Amino acid sequence: GAVVSQHPSRVICKSGTSVKIECRSLDFQATTMFWYRQFPKQSLMLMATSNEGSKATYEQGVEKDKFLINHASLTLSTLTVTSAHPEDSSFYICSARDRIAGSRGGYGYTFGSGTRLTVV
Amino acid sequence: ILNVEQSPQSLHVQEGDSTNFTCSFPSSNFYALHWYRWETAKSPEALFVMTLNGDEKKKGRISATLNTKEGYSYLYIKGSQPEDSATYLCAFITKGAQKLVFGQGTRLTINP
Repeated sequence: GAVVSQHPSRVICKSGTSVKIECRSLDFQATTMFWYRQFPKQSLMLMATSNEGSKATYEQGVEKDKFLINHASLTLSTLTVTSAHPEDSSFYICSARDRIAGSRGGYGYTFGSGTRLTVV
Repeated sequence: ILNVEQSPQSLHVQEGDSTNFTCSFPSSNFYALHWYRWETAKSPEALFVMTLNGDEKKKGRISATLNTKEGYSYLYIKGSQPEDSATYLCAFITKGAQKLVFGQGTRLTINP
């Protein structure tokens, strides 16, 4: 089945530095990638939607200059947390959308395994 | 703001017992409901994609039902096994949006 590889799984960085998280679709073309964030005891919250070759669409309240998303190819999307601060410490996870065979237009969503970011 | 509620938040079940939990979502503008099983340190795994009112889907010992008119879905696990221990997420999609809106999940622990 479809697989999305997300790296790194854990990262600790110093306040003020930038961190890049990568998501690669291994056996399918991900024209659309979603990036989520999860704070403790809360649900996965959508941050942005990226389509290959175009600018990402950010959800309300998400700073686009802080969370840079690049989706330059059909198999790779990256999220860069710029000038990270302790409040950016969270769990980040990506999801690629793909059509479900035989579903009359329905979509399936394949997730990466997530990245735990700690900013110290 | 769309609100998807899952209950209970956590559940402990004895091995061999059956269990179920609930996902509540807005009944208007419904497009689809997804269920995922998420084990620690792994990717969420798709269980079911449900689109029609009255849908019932089954995968082994796990099944799900959907009521779009009243805005709820139930997930059932029959004869729980330790490998069923995971967090179960539901996610709602509205017409035209194609974005998943997640509940907080139900954390299921099966006691041997």
